[in-house]
Amino acid sequence: AQSVTQLGSHVSVSEGALVLLRCNYSSSVPPYLFWYVQYPNQGLQLLLKYTSAATLVKGINGFEAEFKKSETSFHLTKPSAHMSDAAEYFCAVSDPYSNDMRFGAGTRLTVKP
Amino acid sequence: DTGVSQNPRHKITKRGQNVTFRCDPISEHNRLYWYRQTLGQGPEFLTYFQNEAQLEKSRLLSDRFSAERPKGSFSTLEIQRTEQGDSAMYLCASSLGWERAGYTFGSGTRLTVV
Repeated sequence: AQSVTQLGSHVSVSEGALVLLRCNYSSSVPPYLFWYVQYPNQGLQLLLKYTSAATLVKGINGFEAEFKKSETSFHLTKPSAHMSDAAEYFCAVSDPYSNDMRFGAGTRLTVKP
Repeated sequence: DTGVSQNPRHKITKRGQNVTFRCDPISEHNRLYWYRQTLGQGPEFLTYFQNEAQLEKSRLLSDRFSAERPKGSFSTLEIQRTEQGDSAMYLCASSLGWERAGYTFGSGTRLTVV
């Protein structure tokens, strides 16, 4: 069965600092991987996705993620944090044979002024 | 295209009452999903429709839960005899049927059972 593990339930960075949110996946077939962002009392918004094309994926709001098969990882990065990046971030996995997407427990990002 | 719409946004109900939530997906999306999210957790899959057919249900979906998608358009999720443990955010999402596309989520319905 497919699953994702997000390392660190809470990450705190200073404004302008590098953001790194970690995600490791488990899948018996080549996965599709996603990062979503959730603001308080809102649904989830797709940040970026990996679907077996380029391993370095660029998303909205300056975020990017790199698919590393050897490490079964799909970490999310942003070179310079902005106050508006404070939110909950979820990594998710699906594949061509599944009927649902599985989410990690989430990482809450706090950005300090 | 107004995105995925969920109603109501918030629902407070007394234990033992029945509640029904509605989801209107993006019109051209043939797949519709329901997820449940509790505080501090990621969304958990509940059930999935392709057009009007309910193709998969999670073990989380007890007999008190039922979902429908008549005519393959909007969907409803009903919870009968609500319990305090049902308090959560219920999220609806839709997609075009290609898992690689990702899902478009609604803003959710927050249920509080008192």
